[in-house]
Amino acid sequence: DAKTTQPNSMESNEEEPVHLPCNHSTISGTDYIHWYRQLPSQGPEYVIHGLTSNVNNRMASLAIAEDRKSSTLILHRATLRDAAVYYCILRQNAGNMLTFGGGTRLMVKP
Amino acid sequence: KAGVTQTPRYLIKTRGQQVTLSCSPISGHRSVSWYQQTPGQGLQFLFEYFSETQRNKGNFPGRFSGRQFSNSRSEMNVSTLELGDSALYLCASRKTSGGHYEQYFGPGTRLTVT
Repeated sequence: DAKTTQPNSMESNEEEPVHLPCNHSTISGTDYIHWYRQLPSQGPEYVIHGLTSNVNNRMASLAIAEDRKSSTLILHRATLRDAAVYYCILRQNAGNMLTFGGGTRLMVKP
Repeated sequence: KAGVTQTPRYLIKTRGQQVTLSCSPISGHRSVSWYQQTPGQGLQFLFEYFSETQRNKGNFPGRFSGRQFSNSRSEMNVSTLELGDSALYLCASRKTSGGHYEQYFGPGTRLTVT
């Protein structure tokens, strides 16, 4: 399975934008990039996913590099409720299995 | 719409026993996946069921098994429990029609093996 690399932790100030990076240099042409987050004491929550083009939804934006070897999850205005572990995952087009890495623990300061 | 529900939420078992965990997916979701989460190994995929058939299986021993019923509800079973099986077991459901790939996770069942 293609692997992803994320920083272990990041800090942000409340109401400021946050850019969470993810490297996936061995991504194949049919792998989708998914982001999930896990708030304390909860199951993971879907955030966004994309294949080649940048994507926006009500939660976040996903910017995908032209060569697809990296991507960035953008939270436009961090709130205290956004403090969570964010996972960048590659999903093979043929399967539904999610391979989670270590994720990035995002801390939001008031 | 009700979310994914898992029962029980907490469970304490003794080494050597077996355990059955239950998952009810979101109404209309036909795919159910199971994951194990531990501090050491993180989140690991166990298996996925769709239309009562196992479609994918992770790298876990045969002591871990599952099944899915015609109403899409799923159960997973762990036999001959070991201390290392202590973990949070998460179930996720997915709507398979219309190209939906996002998975919706339940709150998990925390299993402690003593």
